[in-house]
Amino acid sequence: NAGVMQNPRHLVRRRGQEARLRCSPMKGHSHVYWYRQLPEEGLKFMVYLQKENIIDESGMPKERFSAEFPKEGPSILRIQQVVRGDSAAYFCASSPKRGNYGYTFGSGTRLTVV
Amino acid sequence: KQEVTQIPAALSVPEGENLVLNCSFTDSAIYNLQWFRQDPGKGLTSLLLIQSSQREQTSGRLNASLDKSSGRSTLYIAASQPGDSATYLCAVSNRDDKIIFGKGTRLHILP
Repeated sequence: NAGVMQNPRHLVRRRGQEARLRCSPMKGHSHVYWYRQLPEEGLKFMVYLQKENIIDESGMPKERFSAEFPKEGPSILRIQQVVRGDSAAYFCASSPKRGNYGYTFGSGTRLTVV
Repeated sequence: KQEVTQIPAALSVPEGENLVLNCSFTDSAIYNLQWFRQDPGKGLTSLLLIQSSQREQTSGRLNASLDKSSGRSTLYIAASQPGDSATYLCAVSNRDDKIIFGKGTRLHILP
C-alpha cells in the first residue's frame, strides 16, 4: 500500500522553463492538496482538487501556475516560465474523503531555478 | 482567517528530558488537528491526529492534547532521544478543507 508518491524528488530548471510536478495519491484517496514550503517559512496552501475538479485554488498565484487532477493518472502542478522565486519544496497530500480524516503527505519535490 | 502559531520557534534540551511543544490557533471551528514531524530536506510524517471531538491522542512517547475552546494544543514528548531532533509542525483543518500550518518548532536533543 504505497503512500503518496511525488516525482521527481529534485528538479532543476533554468529561468523561463516549465516545471511539471507529479503527485499520485494513496490508493483510494480522491482528494489532493498542494502546498509550497519556501526556505525558512511554513507550508502554504496552494490548491485543493478532486478528480477532474478544482475545489479551491485560493492559494495559487494568479499567473504561471496551474494544477489538474485528471480522471486517470496523477495530479500535476505546472509552473510556466519559472523564476528564481519559485525555488521551493512542493508537497502534495491526499485524503480519502472530505472532512475529518487527516492527511498523508508525499516526500515533496524540491524545485531549484537557476 | 485561521492563523496557527507555534512556540517556541526552536528548542534545545538534553537527552532524557520530557518536553512540551505548544500550538495555538485563532478559529476554534476546526475538523481536526495534526502534529507532523519534518526532518531536514525530507517530507512530513504524521505523528498524531486529534479529531475535533477528542481531547488527546497518544502514540508511544508522544501525547497530544487539544483544547478547542481556548484554541490550544500541546505535544508532549517523554524521555527525549537524539533521534527526536526534527522540526515539529502543527496543522489544523478547517471546514473549508484547507489545512493551515504553523511555522514549526525546531527541536534539538543534545546527546
